[in-house]
Amino acid sequence: KAGVTQTPRYLIKTRGQQVTLSCSPISGHRSVSWYQQTPGQGLQFLFEYFSETQRNKGNFPGRFSGRQFSNSRSEMNVSTLELGDSALYLCASSRGTLAGGYEQYFGPGTRLTVT
Amino acid sequence: AQSVTQPDIHITVSEGASLELRCNYSYGATPYLFWYVQSPGQGLQLLLKYFSGDTLVQGIKGFEAEFKRSQSSFNLRKPSVHWSDAAEYFCAVFHTGTASKLTFGTGTRLQVTL
Repeated sequence: KAGVTQTPRYLIKTRGQQVTLSCSPISGHRSVSWYQQTPGQGLQFLFEYFSETQRNKGNFPGRFSGRQFSNSRSEMNVSTLELGDSALYLCASSRGTLAGGYEQYFGPGTRLTVT
Repeated sequence: AQSVTQPDIHITVSEGASLELRCNYSYGATPYLFWYVQSPGQGLQLLLKYFSGDTLVQGIKGFEAEFKRSQSSFNLRKPSVHWSDAAEYFCAVFHTGTASKLTFGTGTRLQVTL
């Protein structure tokens, strides 16, 4: 079974631009979560989508948004990029239910650098 | 608020020695607990999980962890470390209900000397 895939793997953007990251979950998984990883703040939860609906959201500004499509693929968008948005963005997929299991499987991440 | 503490930022062990990485959690209900490993520049790989039942859980790569409710701990162990185990290890607790997310500890970086 194929794992979680994220594209692109690396991105370099300029302050003020916007960026869209993509995540394809494991087949059959309906939950996709996004995390930001930085040396200073560690791993922080951004949001989770389940069956195309945002189910949970972390404490990030509105510049961070996401969506999920009917095939469970998810995109994350960051508008008006700031230097502090430079991070590794990780996507994780899960069945997302008690019956199906809550364990999350992570993709390789997208390394975003904002200059 | 729910939290996870990994008191050791960095640990160095010799290859072949035993390993124990500490994790303490703060969570009101019965927690769902996980250990993940991350190699440099990579995503996180799930090592093992605890949901309920037997408090000693086995994972991949020869790792095991023991859930101790009285100590709010979920320590990761391996009897004999290999050089390829050098990586960063994260303990995480999963929130069910309306906040279905993983909260991670700050991680423990494992260095293995030959």
